[in-house]
Amino acid sequence: DGGITQSPKYLFRKEGQNVTLSCEQNLNHDAMYWYRQDPGQGLRLIYYSQIVNDFQKGDIAEGYSVSREKKESFPLTVTSAQKNPTAFYLCASSIEQGPYEQYFGPGTRLTVT
Amino acid sequence: AQSVTQLGSHVSVSEGALVLLRCNYSSSVPPYLFWYVQYPNQGLQLLLKYTTGATLVKGINGFEAEFKKSETSFHLTKPSAHMSDAAEYFCAVSVQGGSYIPTFGRGTSLIVHP
Repeated sequence: DGGITQSPKYLFRKEGQNVTLSCEQNLNHDAMYWYRQDPGQGLRLIYYSQIVNDFQKGDIAEGYSVSREKKESFPLTVTSAQKNPTAFYLCASSIEQGPYEQYFGPGTRLTVT
Repeated sequence: AQSVTQLGSHVSVSEGALVLLRCNYSSSVPPYLFWYVQYPNQGLQLLLKYTTGATLVKGINGFEAEFKKSETSFHLTKPSAHMSDAAEYFCAVSVQGGSYIPTFGRGTSLIVHP
């Protein structure tokens, strides 16, 4: 079955450590996105990528970094510079950047203590 | 820039009652509108979308929404709620001027009582 996988489901880290969240899709989609979800905040865009080797900052990119070396992969690194990293992180993809539905992964819940 | 407002962070209904979740958008250009559903600790799933054409859109699980340009609204309805409908619902708007990057509302939690 085609879809998006995110791993791990739950992630625990100590403050000051960088951590990388995995996102893989086998939908052959060009566009991929990372969102952060906090209670009552909706989804906030961190980074997005329209094609391989290209990505753009979203609304809350500070303290995060991404890479897009392969079409199917879009990992997100939460750096120690992110002041409040504890959140639910969602990866999504769409066939291309346009008025198309997004397909979401199951999410990774990151807890930093 | 576009924006979305979902009225009511929580909506409570009895099983079998009408479900109405409200969404109003702001956009200076024709919008593309989406409703997504999220079950606890899961990703979002598309319920329905409006692009162009018919303003009454039918989606999965018996949900439908009507695009009303004059009211800048895209409310989600279902005639009869089931317990399995309990979830978080998100409205989103996408426009050409915003590179089609969707803006999501803050979500409405639907609670269904037996």
